[in-house]
Amino acid sequence: DGGITQSPKYLFRKEGQNVTLSCEQNLNHDAMYWYRQDPGQGLRLIYYSQIVNDFQKGDIAEGYSVSREKKESFPLTVTSAQKNPTAFYLCASSIRTGGTGNTIYFGEGSWLTVV
Amino acid sequence: AQTVTQSQPEMSVQEAETVTLSCTYDTSENNYYLFWYKQPPSRQMILVIRQEAYKQQNATENRFSVNFQKAAKSFSLKISDSQLGDTAMYFCAFMDTGANSKLTFGKGITLSVRP
Repeated sequence: DGGITQSPKYLFRKEGQNVTLSCEQNLNHDAMYWYRQDPGQGLRLIYYSQIVNDFQKGDIAEGYSVSREKKESFPLTVTSAQKNPTAFYLCASSIRTGGTGNTIYFGEGSWLTVV
Repeated sequence: AQTVTQSQPEMSVQEAETVTLSCTYDTSENNYYLFWYKQPPSRQMILVIRQEAYKQQNATENRFSVNFQKAAKSFSLKISDSQLGDTAMYFCAFMDTGANSKLTFGKGITLSVRP
């Protein structure tokens, strides 16, 4: 069954801890993205990657890190430097960035709560 | 930088009636893509409809259609014969066609369909 899988669905983080959110896709998409959604807000771009071993900062990259060692995987680490990490995180992918015919598809999301 | 504005935070419509959701955007680009995404209570982001800026014809998908006014930078979504399952947050989004293109979202509108 093709799609984008995010795990875990719910995650709790203690102050000062780093946590990693997993995102895997089997759609053979080149580009992958991480968005953050706060209550009542739209989605804000954290990081995105067009190709393996390459990624770019989005609008709110501070306090986050990513890696893209495999085409299928784009994990997001929320570091202790992120002062307000409680949010809903969405991973997405597309065939390619830019160009014609490009549409972004989303995973089911992960809830992160600081306790 | 591109911006997307959804000025109505909430709307309500009676089942079977028609409702229009507004969206405006700002860009200096000539070619780009516009999207409407639906986010039901499950939080899954679902693509509703897509419009390519170089196409004058308004996109339609069953009960969903858009009114794309390029000169006015307006992109509204019309939902005909509203159904209870249409209750969700709706996000307008913009993507340019450059090599590093990404999806920029508005803050969304909460639509409630009344039985």
